[in-house]
Amino acid sequence: DAGVIQSPRHEVTEMGQEVTLRCKPISGHDYLFWYRQTMMRGLELLIYFNNNVPIDDSGMPEDRFSAKMPNASFSTLKIQPSEPRDSAVYFCASSLEGARNEQFFGPGTRLTVL
Amino acid sequence: AQKITQTQPGMFVQEKEAVTLDCTYDTSDQSYGLFWYKQPSSGEMIFLIYQGSYDEQNATEGRYSLNFQKARKSANLVISASQLGDSAMYFCAMRGLSAGGTSYGKLTFGQGTILTVHP
Repeated sequence: DAGVIQSPRHEVTEMGQEVTLRCKPISGHDYLFWYRQTMMRGLELLIYFNNNVPIDDSGMPEDRFSAKMPNASFSTLKIQPSEPRDSAVYFCASSLEGARNEQFFGPGTRLTVL
Repeated sequence: AQKITQTQPGMFVQEKEAVTLDCTYDTSDQSYGLFWYKQPSSGEMIFLIYQGSYDEQNATEGRYSLNFQKARKSANLVISASQLGDSAMYFCAMRGLSAGGTSYGKLTFGQGTILTVHP
């Protein structure tokens, strides 16, 4: 398996633009997670899905952020409109159900909002 | 709710020496999993080792071992024979039951410890 795939790997955009981050989880995994990592705030869980259904979106910072999982092999995280404080590395991760199962992380998308 | 505490923002170790990275956790779950991840400067998150709450033996994976003390709710990572390539951020994480108590959902991460290995 190719692992968790994220695109793009780097994104530079201007304030006010819409940004869409994409993730393809590992085939067969039940869970998909979106994280944001910054120096100031560390690693934050934004939202996670179980069987394509959003379970906990309490980490989504505000209404400008939205996430979807239309099917088991694809998810998007959208920021509209983007702001400079959204600059961060965004990770997608997937896992199987169960306490024993680790999360497999994608390589991350480094977002810079100018 | 689960909570992970890593009290060491940074640690230094001499090459070839052993180092222990501390992790304590808080949960009311009886069954849970504990994980350590490594994040080198390149940014990827690399899974290192897992310990189950019911596992009687401490987990080991190569030079990594987990000093699991259930009564103290600690799961410290021990790296033996440190190498320069071990310099990275290390995260402790826990997976317990979700809020509804019916499934194991998210991982709860600590704030991380930056390990620097000196030659």
